[in-house]
Amino acid sequence: QLQMQESGPGLVKPSETLFLTCTVSGGSISSGSYYYDWIRQPPGKGLEWIGNVYYRGSTHYNPSLDSRVTLSVDTSKNQFSLKLTSVTAADTAIYYCARHEASRNWFDPWGQGTLVTVSS
Amino acid sequence: DIQMTQSPSSLSASVGDRVTITCRASQSIGSSLNWHQQKPGKAPKLLIFDASILQSGVPSRFSGFGSGTDFTLTITSLQPEDFATYYCQQGNSAPFTFGQGTSLQIK
Repeated sequence: QLQMQESGPGLVKPSETLFLTCTVSGGSISSGSYYYDWIRQPPGKGLEWIGNVYYRGSTHYNPSLDSRVTLSVDTSKNQFSLKLTSVTAADTAIYYCARHEASRNWFDPWGQGTLVTVSS
Repeated sequence: DIQMTQSPSSLSASVGDRVTITCRASQSIGSSLNWHQQKPGKAPKLLIFDASILQSGVPSRFSGFGSGTDFTLTITSLQPEDFATYYCQQGNSAPFTFGQGTSLQIK
């Protein structure tokens, strides 16, 4: 059964860059026609889609974050990554990785999520 | 962006009750509407995709209906494990967007 696990620093200083990685287990990131997504949730609030990366490297970003976000994939490690620059307190959130199949735009499975706090 | 609006924002009900949550899209999305359930401290979990298709393992007391702009999630005979927050999510076009959530609480 496919599983996804986020990892990265839990604390980032304002104006710095946030890096997170999602490791996929139980299946190859290169198999099938899947997009790998990042979604975030500020504490006590709703869900915001950040963007996705295809296993071949093409990306789609939410315009609300487009200028600050970069997604990438490393098929040799079965991982994909998120880079978010110039963070502020508004970027404090639980960050989830997830997957969806091409033309089937629902997220399943989800990773367990990792809390990132932006604070000095 | 397609805006998704859920109602109500919160709902109190008892075990055994039937409840319905509504989700409205700001423009037509066909049947590209998905429902996710989130329990406290946990990641969301896919319940229903394409408006009405239950994900594998989801109990039949859950059902979804709708197309175009108006959708519903109905839970018949509420069980203790159903008390959670429910989010609708449109998959019609990027950026994919979610409703603000409906918190289902025990009365």
